[in-house]
Amino acid sequence: DVKVTQSSRYLVKRTGEKVFLECVQDMDHENMFWYRQDPGLGLRLIYFSYDVKMKEKGDIPEGYSVSREKKERFSLILESASTNQTSMYLCASSLAGTGNEKLFFGSGTQLSVL
Amino acid sequence: GENVEQHPSTLSVQEGDSAVIKCTYSDSASNYFPWYKQELGKRPQLIIDIRSNVGEKKDQRIAVTLNKTAKHFSLHITETQPEDSAVYFCAASKGAVSNTDKLIFGTGTRLQVFP
Repeated sequence: DVKVTQSSRYLVKRTGEKVFLECVQDMDHENMFWYRQDPGLGLRLIYFSYDVKMKEKGDIPEGYSVSREKKERFSLILESASTNQTSMYLCASSLAGTGNEKLFFGSGTQLSVL
Repeated sequence: GENVEQHPSTLSVQEGDSAVIKCTYSDSASNYFPWYKQELGKRPQLIIDIRSNVGEKKDQRIAVTLNKTAKHFSLHITETQPEDSAVYFCAASKGAVSNTDKLIFGTGTRLQVFP
């Protein structure tokens, strides 16, 4: 079974801190994604990557950056955390190509910025 | 860009009744439409998906229908059970590189099934 592991389940940070959210998948998936989930807003795509060192902006990239130095790891970076970035962050991965569209999600990181 | 609207936001049904969740999309080039189920405190999981060359797809008690002309698709759950209680998300994609690229999700429907 595919495993997508997010490093922290809960995280509390202060405004202005630099925050790293880590995600690792163990199934050699090409595609990796970061979503944030907010009540009433669904899942919104922040960034995605379809190869090592490749990244594409999603719908809400402002205030975030990403890093994909290895195929299995995709990091989300909040350069200077703000209170409006308090949210549930979900990492996901998938194989490339038509017919491999299923997203496998991690358990999520609930980030609180105080 | 693509916009996906989902209704209703909450839905309560009696066990054994049917439940229908509806989504509309804005981009006529979208060609892949998955549905994800997220139980309380758990990660979203794919339950069924449909492509634009198919009008309906069934898997046991769940079915999805697609109307390309009207740009809407629906999830149908028959004979609902308490374990169907969850948040359901629809999504749409044009599949630029793969069908998971730029998957745009709806805002979710919280389904409660009462015994």
